[in-house]
Amino acid sequence: EVHLVESGGRLVQPAGSVRLSCAASGFTVSNYDMSWVRQAPGKGLEWVSVKYSGGSTQYADSVRGRFTIARDNSENTLHLQLNALRAEDTAVYYCARHTQVSASAFDVWGQGTMVTVSS
Amino acid sequence: EIVLTQSPATVSLSPGQRATLSCRASQSVSSYLAWYQQKPGQAPRLLIYDTSNRAAGIPARFSGSGSGTDFTLTISSLEPEDSAVYYCQQRSNWWTFGQGTKVEIK
Repeated sequence: EVHLVESGGRLVQPAGSVRLSCAASGFTVSNYDMSWVRQAPGKGLEWVSVKYSGGSTQYADSVRGRFTIARDNSENTLHLQLNALRAEDTAVYYCARHTQVSASAFDVWGQGTMVTVSS
Repeated sequence: EIVLTQSPATVSLSPGQRATLSCRASQSVSSYLAWYQQKPGQAPRLLIYDTSNRAAGIPARFSGSGSGTDFTLTISSLEPEDSAVYYCQQRSNWWTFGQGTKVEIK
């Protein structure tokens, strides 16, 4: 069975850093495009970053230059390094697998990990 | 950035009734439009991708249609467990989501 399990979320001070992890099982992360999607409390969904199966990456304008997505093929895990955090980065962070054919949607989601940015 | 606008914001219907949810894009997204269901405290669940393809395990009462800038998610006969927020999402220009429609079951 296919699963994604996120970890690493915590309370962090403004300007601080945190590293999120997403462990996959039942499939190989490097064979799929993988993204991080976040959801601020009581708000909608916002795409954050993608790691393409080929290795390239893209970021939303709101996080470019502050967040870094990476993949550990040996651990079958996706990571997101969050630096220079702001209050508006407070959210549940989900990792999600893209559909394989067109990569247009997200067919597998983790349960999410909460990042709270506050002093 | 392509903006997706969903309507209505909330719909309240009885079990067995038909629900029609709308998603309008600020410019054409071709057929790259997906729908998700999210219940409180849970991750989103993919229902429909590429406008009209049901994801694995999704009941046949969920269907999607549309093209270009106007899309619809139809729930043909509401069940109590369909109470949730529904989001549309496009991928023509990165990936963006609509603001959601809340479906309440009376």
